Amino acid sequence: DVVMTQSPLSLPVTLGQPASISCRSSQSLVHSNGNTYLHWFQQRPGQSPRRLIYKVSNRDSGVPDRFSGSGSGTDFTLKISRVEAEDVGVYYCMQVTHWPPITFGQGTRLEIK
Amino acid sequence: EVQLVESGGDLVQPGGSLRLSCVVSGFSFSTYWMSWVRQAPEKGLEWVATINTDGSDKKYVDSVKGRFTVSRDNAKNSLYLQMNSLRVDDTAMYFCATGHWADYWGQGTLVTVSS
Repeated sequence: DVVMTQSPLSLPVTLGQPASISCRSSQSLVHSNGNTYLHWFQQRPGQSPRRLIYKVSNRDSGVPDRFSGSGSGTDFTLKISRVEAEDVGVYYCMQVTHWPPITFGQGTRLEIK
Repeated sequence: EVQLVESGGDLVQPGGSLRLSCVVSGFSFSTYWMSWVRQAPEKGLEWVATINTDGSDKKYVDSVKGRFTVSRDNAKNSLYLQMNSLRVDDTAMYFCATGHWADYWGQGTLVTVSS
């Protein structure tokens, strides 16, 4: 199984400052078809998860452009250029390249400092 | 508007059974693979099962194999999860979501396994 490791697990950020979350996989997430099936999700308190980014760097409709995804192979990053109050929650990476099983990172809790 | 509405969660004793349902609207259900994902209290997300468009291919996380069965009824725009031999560690919020892409999620239904 592919193990997804996120860091940090807790991320206190000042409003208006940038934030960065790392996600590392135990093996390359490049599929034999050349695609990389690594997605990012946000889960606000008391809500269901919401996908923000798919296939490493593609922003979902309605997601603010302050969110961006990057990376390749085994190292991936979610960046928020300027954190806003509505960004509080837990962020997860998920890989679907090597499934089953589909695997998630442990989650990174973003809070306002 | 896309909607996924789960139901069927309840308090059940260890060894008991439950059937969860997820009714969808706002997209072409029959063309989407579908998944169940769960979240234990104060814990992270865990993939449970995925089913293909016509129900002929099903995959499960090891911890539920032989106990849980995922199914669907495309005529009713519905996804199901039959859960048997429930254990205390199956206690979680259960979400339905669209297949591998997980672009749409339901609000979840709570399953509590306790004596």
